[in-house]
Amino acid sequence: EPEVTQTPSHQVTQMGQEVILRCVPISNHLYFYWYRQILGQKVEFLVSFYNNEISEKSEIFDDQFSVERPDGSNFTLKIRSTKLEDSAMYFCASSEGGGGQETQYFGPGTRLLVL
Amino acid sequence: AQKITQTQPGMFVQEKEAVTLDCTYDTSDPSYGLFWYKQPSSGEMIFLIYQGSYDQQNATEGRYSLNFQKARKSANLVISASQLGDSAMYFCAMRHPSGYSTLTFGKGTMLLVSP
Repeated sequence: EPEVTQTPSHQVTQMGQEVILRCVPISNHLYFYWYRQILGQKVEFLVSFYNNEISEKSEIFDDQFSVERPDGSNFTLKIRSTKLEDSAMYFCASSEGGGGQETQYFGPGTRLLVL
Repeated sequence: AQKITQTQPGMFVQEKEAVTLDCTYDTSDPSYGLFWYKQPSSGEMIFLIYQGSYDQQNATEGRYSLNFQKARKSANLVISASQLGDSAMYFCAMRHPSGYSTLTFGKGTMLLVSP
């Protein structure tokens, strides 16, 4: 069964460093998303991406964040200068369509720890 | 604004018994989707079940069913014949067709299944 994959599973970085989180969405899906979950809290939407551009983003997704689809399979989230409060689990998700009835399938997540 | 409320921070159930996890939502859109995800201690988000706002019947997926009461804006998850492997965090989420349909999550309910 096709699934969303994410690498790395864990990332430890120093405050101020850049990190790139990678995702491979399900191959026939056209809509991609990043969410984050701070430890013990609910999952929060960061950004959605369709047709090679950002379609929606939350207030969390500030200038320190960027997303890219560098090739036909990968979807990346970059944090330019990490802060302590960026420590969280980051989930990539994808869906076949963009309608309200479409299921989003999540990857296993990348646990980011900023020291 | 869309909102999801899960009032039960934790639930206990004995193996083989049924359990209901509550979820209420608030939206002014007539078209929306309701989802339940399971998050085991390993951290991944596993899609369980989906209910569309126009669906006439309650959704079922194996041991999972959704008690959808549209007028009351509730979408409770029912797990029948609980198993030890059902112990996890459960999140209710709503997707609405504004923009590109991001998911709004509730705070989650921790379910513990005892032998």
